[in-house]
Formats: sequence, structure tokens, C-alpha cells
Amino acid sequence: DVKVTQSSRYLVKRTGEKVFLECVQDMDHENMFWYRQDPGLGLRLIYFSYDVKMKEKGDIPEGYSVSREKKERFSLILESASTNQTSMYLCASSPWTGLNTEAFFGQGTRLTVV
Amino acid sequence: EDQVTQSPEALRLQEGESSSLNCSYTVSGLRGLFWYRQDPGKGPEFLFTLYSAGEEKEKERLKATLTKKESFLHITAPKPEDSATYLCAVPAFHASGGSYIPTFGRGTSLIVHP
Repeated sequence: DVKVTQSSRYLVKRTGEKVFLECVQDMDHENMFWYRQDPGLGLRLIYFSYDVKMKEKGDIPEGYSVSREKKERFSLILESASTNQTSMYLCASSPWTGLNTEAFFGQGTRLTVV
Repeated sequence: EDQVTQSPEALRLQEGESSSLNCSYTVSGLRGLFWYRQDPGKGPEFLFTLYSAGEEKEKERLKATLTKKESFLHITAPKPEDSATYLCAVPAFHASGGSYIPTFGRGTSLIVHP
């Protein structure tokens, strides 16, 4: 089974802190994604990566950056946390097979910024 | 403009009362449609992939079907443990990366009462 592991289930951070959310997948997938999920808004794409050291902005990249130094690890960084970044953060991965295959998700990180 | 629309937003059923959830999409050249189940506070769990109109997939009390414009998730004789949010997603072209990215609807929250 595909396993996508996010480093924390719950985080509480203070406004202005730099926050790191880590995600590791064990299936050698090329593609990795970060989404945030908010009530009434669904899942929105923050950043994605299709290869090591490659990254592309999603629909809502402002206030975030990412790092992919190894194929299995994709980190989301909140440069200076703000209260409007309180949300559920979901990491996902998928293989590149020439077709579009389903993404597999981690368990999510519930981030609260106070 | 939403590319994936799910209805209804919320659905309450009695145990054993069959029903269907709808996912309509506007992307051209469908490259797959994915269904997920999400329990509160957890990441989405992959259920099905459908690739072509007329295709059907089944898992226990769930059956997913696909037409050229929409997909249905049929729930037959549901049980309280089927209570969850059901999400659908399609790969939509993302201009910044030149890639097809899973793009989600806002989900249907299903509650099955005993």
C-alpha cells in the first residue's frame, strides 16, 4: 500500500513564526502536492512538484514556499505564519505513468496560528 | 470557474435508504475521474478511478458510474459507518506547470442515521 506520512497531526504556532510541514512518501512517486482544505472551499492547490528540485505554484501560493531535495520528501514552508493560514494541510503523491492516475493522501496536519 | 461541481452539499439518509451523489465536470478531454472518501480530521482515502463513459466500479455498498458529463456514486443500503464526506476529482490542466493536476469538488457530506 502507498503510504504518505505527514510529520504532525496537529500544530499550534504563533503569528510571525516560520513553520515547516513535512511530507514523506514511500512509493517512489514522481509527483507530490500540497493542498489546504477549508470549510466551504474544498481542497485548494498550494504547490506541486513533479521531480526533485522542481516546483510549480498552484492556485494559492502566496505566503508559502516548498522544498523538494529528495524524491520522497516534499516540505511546505510558511515563511511568516498568519492567522488566515489556520487550516487543514494535506500532502499527496502520485506516480507519473503517462496517464493521469489517482493521488494518495497523508493523514493531514491541522495547523492553528494564534 | 469551478471545473468540478458536487451535489448535494449534504445528504442525510436513514440506514438502508439508497441514494446517489453527483459529480459534474467541465474539463474537456476527460483524463480520469477519481472518487475519495474523507472521514473527519483525516486525509482523503482513494476509492475509485473511472476513465471512460459507461465504466462502472464497485466496492461493497458503493458503485461509481461515469458519463461524458458527470459521475454518480450510488450507495446501496447504506450503514452508519458509510457516513463521511465524499470527494470527486478530475485532472485539470494547470498552466503554470503545464501539467494535469487533481482538481477537487467541494464534496458531499453524507450522514447515515441508524
